[in-house]
Amino acid sequence: DGGITQSPKYLFRKEGQNVTLSCEQNLNHDAMYWYRQDPGQGLRLIYYSQIVNDFQKGDIAEGYSVSREKKESFPLTVTSAQKNPTAFYLCASSISGGLYGYTFGSGTRLTVV
Amino acid sequence: GQQVMQIPQYQHVQEGEDFTTYCNSSTTLSNIQWYKQRPGGHPVFLIQLVKSGEVKKQKRLTFQFGEAKKNSSLHITATQTTDVGTYFCAGPGNTPLVFGKGTRLSVIA
Repeated sequence: DGGITQSPKYLFRKEGQNVTLSCEQNLNHDAMYWYRQDPGQGLRLIYYSQIVNDFQKGDIAEGYSVSREKKESFPLTVTSAQKNPTAFYLCASSISGGLYGYTFGSGTRLTVV
Repeated sequence: GQQVMQIPQYQHVQEGEDFTTYCNSSTTLSNIQWYKQRPGGHPVFLIQLVKSGEVKKQKRLTFQFGEAKKNSSLHITATQTTDVGTYFCAGPGNTPLVFGKGTRLSVIA
């Protein structure tokens, strides 16, 4: 089955540590996205990539980094510079332009301890 | 930048009652999409509206796109407990979708 896989499902991080969230898709989608969701809030865009080896900052990119070395993969690193990283992180993919909707992964819940 | 506003933020209904959520954009949209997120889950694409005044139905769900393509609504007839979740509208920003904050629907059996 085609889909988008995020791992791990739950992640605990100590303050000062960098962590990397995995996102893999086998939908042959060109575009991939990272969103952050806080309780009771909508989805805020962190980074997005429309093509391999290229990505753009979203609205809340500070303290995060990404890479897009392969079409299927778009990992997100939450760095120690991110002041409040505890949140639900959602990865999504779509055909170029986003028409016909985004497909979301099941998310990673990150908690800083 | 573009903003997509949704109201209400929360809605509690008795099972069998109708439910409507509204979405308004600060700019004209080329299309609007709707998603549903179950509690503890991830957003799932429901539908896309493209044409001015478009109305689409999915069983008990009716989606409308305004004539000016700046607003949209989702109406659920005779809610069921399976309708529980948060409903988001999303419009195209410069490129990625801009999501509203969603309407959280609770259904009391």
